[in-house]
Amino acid sequence: NAGVTQTPKFQVLKTGQSMTLQCAQDMNHEYMSWYRQDPGMGLRLIHYSVGAGITDQGEVPNGYNVSRSTTEDFPLRLLSAAPSQTSVYFCASSYSMVPGRYEQYFGPGTRLTVT
Amino acid sequence: GDSVTQMEGPVTLSEEAFLTINCTYTATGYPSLFWYVQYPGEGLQLLLKATKADDKGSNKGFEATYRKETTSFHLEKGSVQVSDSAVYFCALSGNKFYFGSGTKLNVKP
Repeated sequence: NAGVTQTPKFQVLKTGQSMTLQCAQDMNHEYMSWYRQDPGMGLRLIHYSVGAGITDQGEVPNGYNVSRSTTEDFPLRLLSAAPSQTSVYFCASSYSMVPGRYEQYFGPGTRLTVT
Repeated sequence: GDSVTQMEGPVTLSEEAFLTINCTYTATGYPSLFWYVQYPGEGLQLLLKATKADDKGSNKGFEATYRKETTSFHLEKGSVQVSDSAVYFCALSGNKFYFGSGTKLNVKP
């Protein structure tokens, strides 16, 4: 198993540009999520999904869109990039959120810089 | 709501010193508890977990015991190595996942 994969590893955008961060998992996990990690702030949940066709907002959803058309893929879209979105983005997956006993598996991250 | 609080870092130790990183939680119900480790430039990796009260999770010389009476899940290691230098995250899994803010550990030779 490849586990959780993310592309690209690095990306530089100009303010106002849009892009999609890709995330895929091959473990048939129901639950997938996106986090951003900023210095001194730990991990903050952006969006999550409990299954294909079902998504919900996390702690910091503004400026990001997600969709889940398949179990395997969970792309994150930046609609109009802003310097405040400079961060490291992690995708994660878990077998299930019910009954909440399962660990998350993380991808290697995407380092995004918005100039 | 549910939450996780862990000690702030950075923590700097000499090689072979004893390590404790404190973690306390607030949760309704019976969550599972985890410790994750993040090495520089990498994603988070599961270090150990405990799924019910009094369980002890262990891996690579690290241990943590799920203490319901004190709502704690402190991470310990008897003798740290330079290779243990990383950021450690405490987390709980209830109706959602909750992470602590992370504790950076620096181990000097």
